[in-house]
Amino acid sequence: NAGVTQTPKFQVLKTGQSMTLQCAQDMNHEYMSWYRQDPGMGLRLIHYSVGAGITDQGEVPNGYNVSRSTTEDFPLRLLSAAPSQTSVYFCASSKMTSGILRRSYNEQFFGPGTRLTVL
Amino acid sequence: QQPVQSPQAVILREGEDAVINCSSSKALYSVHWYRQKHGEAPVFLMILLKGGEQKGHEKISASFNEKKQQSSLYLTASQLSYSGTYFCGTERTGGGSNYKLTFGKGTLLTVNP
Repeated sequence: NAGVTQTPKFQVLKTGQSMTLQCAQDMNHEYMSWYRQDPGMGLRLIHYSVGAGITDQGEVPNGYNVSRSTTEDFPLRLLSAAPSQTSVYFCASSKMTSGILRRSYNEQFFGPGTRLTVL
Repeated sequence: QQPVQSPQAVILREGEDAVINCSSSKALYSVHWYRQKHGEAPVFLMILLKGGEQKGHEKISASFNEKKQQSSLYLTASQLSYSGTYFCGTERTGGGSNYKLTFGKGTLLTVNP
């Protein structure tokens, strides 16, 4: 298994440009998520999905769109890049299981990350 | 709301123990712990769920006080490989917070020979 893959590894954009960060997993995981990581801020959830066709906003969704047409793929689109979106982006996936109180996700497997610079 | 981790940084010698704390002001459903080495992706350590269920590695231990919304990660007999930044992530109960993990700012752990 390749696990979680992300492309590209590095990207430089100019302000106003759009692009899509690709994320794919081959573990048949229902849950997928996108985080951004900035120095001293930890990881912040952008968007997540609990299955194909189902997406929802996380903590910092503005300026980003997602879709989940298949279980395997979860692309993140930057609509009009801004310098504030300079960050390291991580995609992650997890199997979902039924817990004592409700359905929950488990260990998240993270991709290697995409380092994005917006000039 | 971001959970608060303490300490922000800790330096140990091999073989010493450490405790990393994570505190939230909101009612929690679960607490997740990850370790990240410089330039790498975060790696899973432990999940603690409301109701007492735990999922994680045998060599890592943690606690979750549901009443106080606090969790602690216990690192015993530290090894050089334990060095890295430790993050706790919290998942709140209800109110549209299901499946949303909010991470703290991290605790930098350095283990020296």
